[in-house]
Amino acid sequence: DTAVSQTPKYLVTQMGNDKSIKCEQNLGHDTMYWYKQDSKKFLKIMFSYNNKELIINETVPNRFSPKSPDKAHLNLHINSLELGDSAVYFCASSHLTGQGEGEAFFGQGTRLTVV
Amino acid sequence: SQQGEEDPQALSIQEGENATMNCSYKTSINNLQWYRQNSGRGLVHLILIRSNEREKHSGRLRVTLDTSKKSSSLLITASRAADTASYFCATGRVSNYQLIWGAGTKLIIKP
Repeated sequence: DTAVSQTPKYLVTQMGNDKSIKCEQNLGHDTMYWYKQDSKKFLKIMFSYNNKELIINETVPNRFSPKSPDKAHLNLHINSLELGDSAVYFCASSHLTGQGEGEAFFGQGTRLTVV
Repeated sequence: SQQGEEDPQALSIQEGENATMNCSYKTSINNLQWYRQNSGRGLVHLILIRSNEREKHSGRLRVTLDTSKKSSSLLITASRAADTASYFCATGRVSNYQLIWGAGTKLIIKP
């Protein structure tokens, strides 16, 4: 029944490793996002996909690569993890009309800790 | 980039009191949304107000929007311990497939 589900919920890994976070939404939305929330609780958008096409790609290291196999999924792959990547990553989805509207539904977050 | 700015950054009040949080933004918007985030959880949508609306109510929530001042306020009446959370505002613009987020207000309701 979960509208936006992301896995895993917790991820502890060593520097230099490659890891992926998966996200799925069952709301029929056409737009999905990845956000990063740092220790100060600032919420920053990383990527946005609309109908499987990348429409927002904020300034993030190219070690971060999103992949959207279909409209219901948006996965985040991170290469060569660094200590500064430690944060909570949120997946979200919405149906945006181009009018800037559309309630965003968030997943529970993935707490990534790089040691 | 962060456009919205909430104030105060943190607010601590007694249960039963009203809590008011403010949000300011910089560019023209189509709508403004408020979200709540409980500790360790994802954000949950509370209310959306369009740019042509001035006030909106939902249960104990009252949102106002002043586009001339580029600001919004969220009022929670008769606060409860369960209202303890962080509250974020986000603005949506026409032809923009993202919400612009503020930094959030951390609200603590003391029993």
